[in-house]
Amino acid sequence: AQSVTQLGSHVSVSEGALVLLRCNYSSSVPPYLFWYVQYPNQGLQLLLKYTSAATLVKGINGFEAEFKKSETSFHLTKPSAHMSDAAEYFCAVSDPGGGADGLTFGKGTHLIIQP
Amino acid sequence: DADVTQTPRNRITKTGKRIMLECSQTKGHDRMYWYRQDPGLGLRLIYYSFDVKDINKGEISDGYSVSRQAQAKFSLSLESAIPNQTALYFCATSERGLGYTFGSGTRLTVV
Repeated sequence: AQSVTQLGSHVSVSEGALVLLRCNYSSSVPPYLFWYVQYPNQGLQLLLKYTSAATLVKGINGFEAEFKKSETSFHLTKPSAHMSDAAEYFCAVSDPGGGADGLTFGKGTHLIIQP
Repeated sequence: DADVTQTPRNRITKTGKRIMLECSQTKGHDRMYWYRQDPGLGLRLIYYSFDVKDINKGEISDGYSVSRQAQAKFSLSLESAIPNQTALYFCATSERGLGYTFGSGTRLTVV
């Protein structure tokens, strides 16, 4: 069975500061990994995904994540936070053998941007 | 039109009532999913379907049922709604696990 742990249910950073959202996964096989963002009262938007190509993945809105197999991690970063980045962020994992049972999500991290 | 459309967007219902949430897609994906989102718990899988004849239970299927009427339609039913089924429900489609497309969600309140 797969699982995802997101460290920190709430993360607060100052505008212009580095954003680091942590995600660790557990999987019996090399997984596919995803980061989604959810703005207030909206659905889920894909930020980026890792599907066994390059380990450093660049996404939308200046976000990127690095797959580290030895650490079973897929942390999300952005060099400089913007007020518009305030949202809920979800890390998710799927089985690359066809994604048979869908995505397994972490519990989410609420990102707060301080002016 | 959205690739994955959920109806209704919002619904308030009474305890014990039967309610159906509908999902339709134009992505042409075979795989469809229903998730439930609760604050602090993330999204949890209720049911998923590979095709019209293949329905599978997810992590939290108790109290729910589904129907795959066609490749493009996947409905979620609550036979007798209870207050702890109050949540945000998402439908999603997948292309062999490489990409997932989510609907905008249905906010359900059971009073």
